[in-house]
Amino acid sequence: AQTVTQSQPEMSVQEAETVTLSCTYDTSESDYYLFWYKQPPSRQMILVIRQEAYKQQNATENRFSVNFQKAAKSFSLKISDSQLGDAAMYFCAYRSTTSGTYKYIFGTGTRLKVLA
Amino acid sequence: DAGVTQSPTHLIKTRGQQVTLRCSPKSGHDTVSWYQQALGQGPQFIFQYYEEEERQRGNFPDRFSGHQFPNYSSELNVNALLLGDSALYLCASSPGGSWDYGYTFGSGTRLTVV
Repeated sequence: AQTVTQSQPEMSVQEAETVTLSCTYDTSESDYYLFWYKQPPSRQMILVIRQEAYKQQNATENRFSVNFQKAAKSFSLKISDSQLGDAAMYFCAYRSTTSGTYKYIFGTGTRLKVLA
Repeated sequence: DAGVTQSPTHLIKTRGQQVTLRCSPKSGHDTVSWYQQALGQGPQFIFQYYEEEERQRGNFPDRFSGHQFPNYSSELNVNALLLGDSALYLCASSPGGSWDYGYTFGSGTRLTVV
């Protein structure tokens, strides 16, 4: 069974600085999706970025980028120019592409604090 | 364009009671998934509905059941509530199709069982 591990329960970053959140996963599959979701105090999970495993190129979305290391099964999220609004829980998620499999497997999350 | 709407936002129930949570998916989405998020944890997959059928189920007991209606809205029912069922219940919708571009989530229903 696949697992997702986020080993940093909490991280802090100074406003305008860069921070990297770690995520590792375990799978025997070669094709899958990986996601980062943000959950602010409003509780609504918001998609930050997605990566398709067969693509070598790391995904980027404005200030958010990932470092996808397939062999190491690592999927870290880099937030550049951190803003106060980035403060939230961040969850890494895995989804298999095996036929009949639709569920996401989430990590336990990393709480990001942004210091003014 | 309304996103995913869940109701109610908060609910308090007594052990042994039954509860129904509701979800309206984002316009254009036909697939609805339900997740349970215990305090301090990541969401856990309950089940997914597509074309009014449950097409995958997570590791939850039969006390958890659901339904999807022809307009793609969905309900999650939990019978014989236990204290351990206290959690945030998240509904997520997505469009059908082969590619997964990620869910759109609602703001959840906070269920407290006393």
